[in-house]
Amino acid sequence: DTAVSQTPKYLVTQMGNDKSIKCEQNLGHDTMYWYKQDSKKFLKIMFSYNNKELIINETVPNRFSPKSPDKAHLNLHINSLELGDSAVYFCASSQGPSGGANRQFFGPGTRLTVL
Amino acid sequence: GIQVEQSPPDLILQEGANSTLRCNFSDSVNNLQWFHQNPWGQLINLFYIPSGTKQNGRLSATTVATERYSLLYISSSQTTDSGVYFCAVESNDYKLSFGAGTTVTVRA
Repeated sequence: DTAVSQTPKYLVTQMGNDKSIKCEQNLGHDTMYWYKQDSKKFLKIMFSYNNKELIINETVPNRFSPKSPDKAHLNLHINSLELGDSAVYFCASSQGPSGGANRQFFGPGTRLTVL
Repeated sequence: GIQVEQSPPDLILQEGANSTLRCNFSDSVNNLQWFHQNPWGQLINLFYIPSGTKQNGRLSATTVATERYSLLYISSSQTTDSGVYFCAVESNDYKLSFGAGTTVTVRA
């Protein structure tokens, strides 16, 4: 019955590798997000899709590329991983992108460690 | 962008105590939410409260939008209340900006 799920939960990889994180929501929401939480627990928005359309694209390296095959899924692909990419990545979803519709529900997070 | 400041940064409570967490923001908002990140890392949405007062069990929140602050009250705290509490706001640009959080430790 998980509302927002992410896979994998943990990801340990070498510098220079390419990896993907997958997110799925079964809440019937239109909007999905990727956040990065650093070691000091600061949460920052990376991307957001509304009805499969990219609406937020923060200043992140272009090694990060989101893909939304449908409204229920939002994946994050990372090329040429660097040490500084180590963090916890959270997926979230909301009914809509703004105001009262933008009450966000988070997945369990994916802890990425780059060696 | 909008600035979000939370205070205090850390709070240590004895079980059963009450506490108040504060969130100040620098601009008008159309969305304010409180989250709890438990010690296992899960982020739980506690309240959507752009204005007014809401209660959910031992937790309640008040936002005074005209004065640009929100308060989260924890009453009769329990050890399960430990974790980090985040305030997040949106100001007409779709982006939810998070504060740095208040780390709450409840001791038995």
